[in-house]
Amino acid sequence: GIQVEQSPPDLILQEGANSTLRCNFSDSVNNLQWFHQNPWGQLINLFYIPSGTKQNGRLSATTVATERYSLLYISSSQTTDSGVYFCAVGWGGGADGLTFGKGTHLIIQP
Amino acid sequence: NAGVTQTPKFRVLKTGQSMTLLCAQDMNHEYMYWYRQDPGMGLRLIHYSVGEGTTAKGEVPDGYNVSRLKKQNFLLGLESAAPSQTSVYFCASRTTGQGIANYGYTFGSGTRLTVV
Repeated sequence: GIQVEQSPPDLILQEGANSTLRCNFSDSVNNLQWFHQNPWGQLINLFYIPSGTKQNGRLSATTVATERYSLLYISSSQTTDSGVYFCAVGWGGGADGLTFGKGTHLIIQP
Repeated sequence: NAGVTQTPKFRVLKTGQSMTLLCAQDMNHEYMYWYRQDPGMGLRLIHYSVGEGTTAKGEVPDGYNVSRLKKQNFLLGLESAAPSQTSVYFCASRTTGQGIANYGYTFGSGTRLTVV
């Protein structure tokens, strides 16, 4: 099956810093989503981004499908950005679900 | 618009007991999924359903059964719980995507299950 690798596995930053999280995947996909899992365990859908670039406030994401990677940018980090960020991929024409990476654990210190 | 609702949110079981987790969605989605999340790992697919009355195995189906008697509900059953099934369980749903640009999945808030 498809492999999803996320880097870095852990990241500790000071409040106000910027960060880039990377997701590499091993095969063609037409579904890619970024999720934030907050400290209470809730999965929050950040972006549906199988290709191109999207922005939502301080967060933006870029997927280069032909090169099989996606990047999540977080600018001006806040303590509430802490948590685990997951990349998940799939083939949208099929029904067999998303394959998740192991996540990047982000800690924003005040 | 509630989205995807999971019940219960927490449960402690003794080894060998059985239980059913309920997932309900109000978005008229065809596809529904059950995932488990273990510490330090991403989510892994247990079972999924492409429509009412259908189910299929995912990556880690052993020890679980599922049913989709109604389109809006997807049930996950543990017939004889084992400590290895201690995990957080997430349900998700999505549209079929036919003629639609967004194949995005919507997840429930999770059920934390401990088997002692």
